[in-house]
Amino acid sequence: GAVVSQHPSWVICKSGTSVKIECRSLDFQATTMFWYRQFPKQSLMLMATSNEGSKATYEQGVEKDKFLINHASLTLSTLTVTSAHPEDSSFYICSARDKKGIFDQPQHFGDGTRLSIL
Amino acid sequence: AQSVTQLDSHVSVSEGTPVLLRCNYSSSYSPSLFWYVQHPNKGLQLLLKYTSAATLVKGINGFEAEFKKSETSFHLTKPSAHMSDAAEYFCVVSDAGFQKLVFGTGTRLLVSP
Repeated sequence: GAVVSQHPSWVICKSGTSVKIECRSLDFQATTMFWYRQFPKQSLMLMATSNEGSKATYEQGVEKDKFLINHASLTLSTLTVTSAHPEDSSFYICSARDKKGIFDQPQHFGDGTRLSIL
Repeated sequence: AQSVTQLDSHVSVSEGTPVLLRCNYSSSYSPSLFWYVQHPNKGLQLLLKYTSAATLVKGINGFEAEFKKSETSFHLTKPSAHMSDAAEYFCVVSDAGFQKLVFGTGTRLLVSP
């Protein structure tokens, strides 16, 4: 089945540093990838949608300069949290859309990244 | 705009008893509906989906859900709970082109021995 690998699974860093999270589709081409944020015991909130080779589309209220998204290839999208602060601590989940299997499963999810800013 | 409402934030059952997780949806057209499960510190796994075919949908691990248009509901059921079913469950609705998924607030299922 379709596998999405997300790395790292857990990161702890100091306030003010930038953190990059990678999302890879391992056995399919992902024309579209999605980034979600999940606060403790809450639902997933879509942050942005990224299409290969074009700029990401951010949801209302999400700072573009804070959360940089790059989708340089059909199998890789990255989310960079710039100048991270404690309020950015959260669980970030990516998903990828397999155009061929769209009617079988709309999105395949990674295992998430737990980001803790000290 | 589409939305889903999960009526219970927590559901507690004993192992071997039935599970019912409730979900109501709102959509301006015939929706596509999904149930996902999330175990702690993990991503989401698709349990089942409804895409305008049979109204009773069977999924993995013995789960099933019934689409009821008259009640705008898509409740998730399982005849007999297992300890490994303890997790967070999300009811999800998709827009027409599967471009975006809209998540419910989640229901935490607790299973006691």
